[in-house]
Amino acid sequence: DQQVKQNSPSLSVQEGRISILNCDYTNSMFDYFLWYKKYPAEGPTFLISISSIKDKNEDGRFTVFLNKSAKHLSLHIVPSQPGDSAVYFCAASFTGNQFYFGTGTSLTVIP
Amino acid sequence: NAGVTQTPKFQVLKTGQSMTLQCAQDMNHEYMSWYRQDPGMGLRLIHYSVGAGITDQGEVPNGYNVSRSTTEDFPLRLLSAAPSQTSVYFCASSSKGWGGDHEQYFGPGTRLTVT
Repeated sequence: DQQVKQNSPSLSVQEGRISILNCDYTNSMFDYFLWYKKYPAEGPTFLISISSIKDKNEDGRFTVFLNKSAKHLSLHIVPSQPGDSAVYFCAASFTGNQFYFGTGTSLTVIP
Repeated sequence: NAGVTQTPKFQVLKTGQSMTLQCAQDMNHEYMSWYRQDPGMGLRLIHYSVGAGITDQGEVPNGYNVSRSTTEDFPLRLLSAAPSQTSVYFCASSSKGWGGDHEQYFGPGTRLTVT
């Protein structure tokens, strides 16, 4: 059973606008959440993370929001750039050793 | 630093054959792991290790063996390949496995086809 879900397989956004990628989880024990970005034929690369003691974390154009009561995580990219076009995975962990990944959302930023 | 390296990049096996996927990291990371990526399934953890001599199972360990004799290397062995093991395999490492930041560095992947 998928404990981390990304219900939107794809998303298209105009360059300069905001991209919002969503992630839901079922296990309330998860205490650490991460977003990874993946280009074709490459391994995922770490983007940003958030601990369950926070509800927001920012890094430049990327902001992750955590709503624990709703078991919902989102990644905001502002402004979106064509180079942001990739597959984005969210991941969660509660032991620090086992990580559960979502199925990914393919983002296309249209110039 | 080369980061996380994986060999081979591509491999075709016949059902029943065995092989080892190699993974090495030069960042002195204690934590290493293997994932498989299948269409519509995301990345699923196969096995992981929190240090030399210590390994444990992830979500989908059946059909795979691992060992960790050094900090740098974490090979994944398929004892008797099956078509269901056709997938892209990623190795990852990170500096902390017990609490704290868990940023994992991934290798470029091995694309395995079992016929």
